[in-house]
Amino acid sequence: EVQLVQSGAEVKKPGESLKISCKGSGYSFTTYWIGWVRQMPGKGLQWMGIIYPSDSDTRYSPSFQGQVTISADKSISTAYLQWSSLKASDTAMYYCARTDNLTGNAFDLWGQGTVVTVSS
Amino acid sequence: SYELTQPPSVSVSPGQTARITCSGDALPKQYAYWYQQKPGQAPVLVIYKDSERPSGIPERFSGSSSGTTVTLTISGVQAEDEADYYCQSADSSVSYQVFGGGTKLTVL
Repeated sequence: EVQLVQSGAEVKKPGESLKISCKGSGYSFTTYWIGWVRQMPGKGLQWMGIIYPSDSDTRYSPSFQGQVTISADKSISTAYLQWSSLKASDTAMYYCARTDNLTGNAFDLWGQGTVVTVSS
Repeated sequence: SYELTQPPSVSVSPGQTARITCSGDALPKQYAYWYQQKPGQAPVLVIYKDSERPSGIPERFSGSSSGTTVTLTISGVQAEDEADYYCQSADSSVSYQVFGGGTKLTVL
């Protein structure tokens, strides 16, 4: 089955670091870009950035550049989103999704989402 | 930063046609994509490259483009189509993508 499986929910304190993951299976992980999308509680979708696991080419939205780091380990078909110092405003659902040349820059397959809660 | 503008809400009766617009300065040169998101679920791609429909998406979903506005049209709306809809496209530099603010479709 073609799928993206994300790591479980996280509860963290402000200032802590965090790395969440997204594992692809059922397809060639290195031939699709993987993106991350934030959805704050009750709000819309925000495009954060994408990575090409084959060579780790990474693009960020200006809104998230310097705030998060996107990485990938192609040997285990996994992409990551990490924070070095969390803020309460990072509380959100985070989705990973894949995109390929056939659909342009559309995300045609989504993970189930990871809830991140940052609270003191 | 680049922005895509959608109406916050659209309401239609079952069987009618719903049209959801998305406006952005770069849309004449960049493809647009549309997603449907139901409560508690991940988004689902319903239109890519302005007007292409992924496999498995009902034919009642269609997309079009005219100048700086793209439109998602749902013909013969059904109760199950009630959801939030988001457009997505790139800024003129094509270095990053953005989503529109989302439109809540209510089926009366």
